[in-house]
Amino acid sequence: DQQVKQNSPSLSVQEGRISILNCDYTNSMFDYFLWYKKYPAEGPTFLISISSIKDKNEDGRFTVFLNKSAKHLSLHIVPSQPGDSAVYFCAASAWPGTASKLTFGTGTRLQVTL
Amino acid sequence: GAVVSQHPSRVICKSGTSVKIECRSLDFQATTMFWYRQFPKQSLMLMATSNEGSKATYEQGVEKDKFLINHASLTLSTLTVTSAHPEDSSFYICSARDRERGHQETQYFGPGTRLLVL
Repeated sequence: DQQVKQNSPSLSVQEGRISILNCDYTNSMFDYFLWYKKYPAEGPTFLISISSIKDKNEDGRFTVFLNKSAKHLSLHIVPSQPGDSAVYFCAASAWPGTASKLTFGTGTRLQVTL
Repeated sequence: GAVVSQHPSRVICKSGTSVKIECRSLDFQATTMFWYRQFPKQSLMLMATSNEGSKATYEQGVEKDKFLINHASLTLSTLTVTSAHPEDSSFYICSARDRERGHQETQYFGPGTRLLVL
């Protein structure tokens, strides 16, 4: 049972335009969400996160939106740059505490073209 | 900040041998570390949660006798793949939480270890 889903395996965006990556979840207990960026043969790099008490969090070119009623979150990258080309994973955490785990989506490969 | 290292970055071994992978938190203490495995073009699969000073908690379907985890200090966790076989070939990634920095649920990942068993 895939509790965190990224339905778009790939996305191509022109440099300078907005990239929108989507993520849906099914577990209503999730209350903290994260986005990671991953290059091939490297570990994921933390980008941005959002707590369920918020609906938006912004950090530079990255903004994450959370719609709890729809169980949906999205990552906006504006403007997109060629260096943003990577696989993006969303992740969710259910129980804040000492032993909570992250559940990852399947990833979306973003290609930013010139 | 929140740097996690892994060693080795890649290893090739013969079938039947054991391989140890180290995960270190370089600038923070981590009471909890996590070990993941990633197959090509797939998501990260959590294998186990490593707790300093206590036994690791393994996910369903992960053989604890095959994947030995030791978290002997607040900055070091090791994963030993015992009697490795070709099907154990994969990309192994560790992560750690830095309770002093950012949100307590954020995990910071190491660069990963590519294991190839011949």
